[in-house]
Formats: sequence, structure tokens, C-alpha cells
Amino acid sequence: EVQLVESGGALVKPGESLRLSCAASGFTFSDAWMSWVRQAPGKGLDFVGRVKKRRDGGTTEYGAPVEGRFTISRDDSKNTLSLQMNSLKIEDTAVYYCATGIGTIDWWGQGTLVTVSS
Amino acid sequence: ETVLTQSPGTLSLSPGERATLSCRASQSIRSNQLAWYQQKPGQAPRLLVYGASKRATGIPDRFSGSGSGTDFTLTISRLEPEDFAVYYCQQYGGSPWTFGQGTEVEIK
Repeated sequence: EVQLVESGGALVKPGESLRLSCAASGFTFSDAWMSWVRQAPGKGLDFVGRVKKRRDGGTTEYGAPVEGRFTISRDDSKNTLSLQMNSLKIEDTAVYYCATGIGTIDWWGQGTLVTVSS
Repeated sequence: ETVLTQSPGTLSLSPGERATLSCRASQSIRSNQLAWYQQKPGQAPRLLVYGASKRATGIPDRFSGSGSGTDFTLTISRLEPEDFAVYYCQQYGGSPWTFGQGTEVEIK
């Protein structure tokens, strides 16, 4: 059974940094494209970014609102995906989902809440 | 970036009725790489359709996707009580991937 378990969500102040993690199991992590998708309270889905599997180049791509502030990385030896979020803004407040799929998002975690507030 | 616009914002229907949801792209989506998701309150989204018209594993055949280029449709032939939810389209044919803003299907 595919499992994606996010952790690291917290209440932080504007301008601060936060790192989210996602522990993956039930599939071959090193063969997977991994993504982060967020959802602000009461709002729609927003693509944060994704990282390809190493054999596809391991490249990353980000949505415009987070480009230059957020960094996605993966550790295939630990089946772990990370999201480093810097210079956080109030509008980054959201539930952050870890997800996997090549193009489509086939599996989703349950999400972790990040609240940015002064 | 490809902007996806979904309509209507809210669809009020009764169980047994047909639902037609629209997703329009700001530019043609390469190879019809368009997906639909269903999300219920407090849950993560679930993939329904990919490649514009292919049902994901385990999705009932009352859900069908169609369209090409810039105009896509998700049809639910006869609404079941469990189908009342929010639906999102997503394109993965261009960079970055993007989502529509969602259509809520509510009980009339």
C-alpha cells in the first residue's frame, strides 16, 4: 500500500524558514516523480513543485509563486522527500500535500498545515 | 504558464441527474495531458481521469472525460450521493503543471 506521510508543519512568522518532510513507503521511491501541492484554507489546489526521478535527470520545477524561495530535494536512500521553504509569506499559509505521479498525481499524503502569521 | 478556467463555479443538482463540468485552457494542452480530480471535505484529492478521457483505476464508468486542445469536459452521467464534492482539472503537458480553480457539485 502506498503511504505518504508529511511532517514539519508549524506556525511561523513572515520571513522565517521551515522545512517539510515526506516519508514514502509502499512503492519504489527511486523510480517515482515526487511533488508538493498546497491548498490554502477554503481555496483550490496550487502546484508547488516537483522533482523527477534520478534516471530522468532528477530535475526540479516550481510554480511561479514559490520560485526562488522554495527548494525540493529527495533522498532515495531514505525514501524521503523534502521541501525547504524560505522567506515565507502570509499567502504561503496552506495544507501542503506530498504526492507522487508522472504528470498526473496518482497518490497523495494527508497533508501538513503551515501557518504563516505575525 | 497555462491557466485553466473551470466553469461553473458551483453546480446545484439532484442525485440521478447528469453533471457537466468544463475546463478551458489558456493555450492548447500538449497531447491532451489533462487530468480530473475529486476532493471531498477533509480529504486529499483523488485522481479520476487522465489523458483527458482515460479513467483511473477503480473509477466508476459514470465518470467520463472528453475534449482536446483547449476545451475539456468531465461528465458524471448519473450523480450518486457520494459524488457531491469539488472537482479540479490539472494540466501536465506544459511547465509548470497547473490546476483549475475547481467546480463544486452540491446537492440541490
